[in-house]
Amino acid sequence: AQKVTQAQTEISVVEKEDVTLDCVYETRDTTYYLFWYKQPPSGELVFLIRRNSFDEQNEISGRYSWNFQKSTSSFNFTITASQVVDSAVYFCALSENRGNTPLVFGKGTRLSVIA
Amino acid sequence: SQTIHQWPATLVQPVGSPLSLECTVEGTSNPNLYWYRQAAGRGLQLLFYSVGIGQISSEVPQNLSASRPQDRQFILSSKKLLLSDSGFYLCAWSVPGGRGLEQYFGPGTRLTVT
Repeated sequence: AQKVTQAQTEISVVEKEDVTLDCVYETRDTTYYLFWYKQPPSGELVFLIRRNSFDEQNEISGRYSWNFQKSTSSFNFTITASQVVDSAVYFCALSENRGNTPLVFGKGTRLSVIA
Repeated sequence: SQTIHQWPATLVQPVGSPLSLECTVEGTSNPNLYWYRQAAGRGLQLLFYSVGIGQISSEVPQNLSASRPQDRQFILSSKKLLLSDSGFYLCAWSVPGGRGLEQYFGPGTRLTVT
């Protein structure tokens, strides 16, 4: 069975600090896909990134970076020089390598960035 | 480009009353459609998903039902609301048939059952 664990329920940092959000997943598939979503206070989930299991290269997009490590079944998300606008709930999700299957979401990590 | 709409944005309903939430997608054909619920301070719970008109898969037995009367329309209903039905309801879509494709979410409906 698939499972996504986000052990950090809430994190609070001061503006300009770096912060890493952890995501650990379980799957029996050898091919799978991982995602991160951001849910700001408005409520709408915003898609951030999708990675497949064959691509272990880390990715950087501005202040955001993602570290995918198959050996530890982790897909961690780092925000560098955090800003107040980064305050949100962040969800990690997993999908199997089959068509039309829903995503399995973790319970989310609430990040508060304090000015 | 594709857009997804949900209405109403907020709703306050008494216990025992019916419910109908609507979701429509524009700019794509035959999308996969999903309904999620998010209780206060908690994660996302997948309620229903649909891969085509009239095709509904239910993930959790409950007081709710879903229908897909048209290709890009997904409706969440209840005949009699319970207090536990309160929450934030999110509709999402994804490209059909693909493997491991991202879902795109609507703005959500905040339902309070009193």
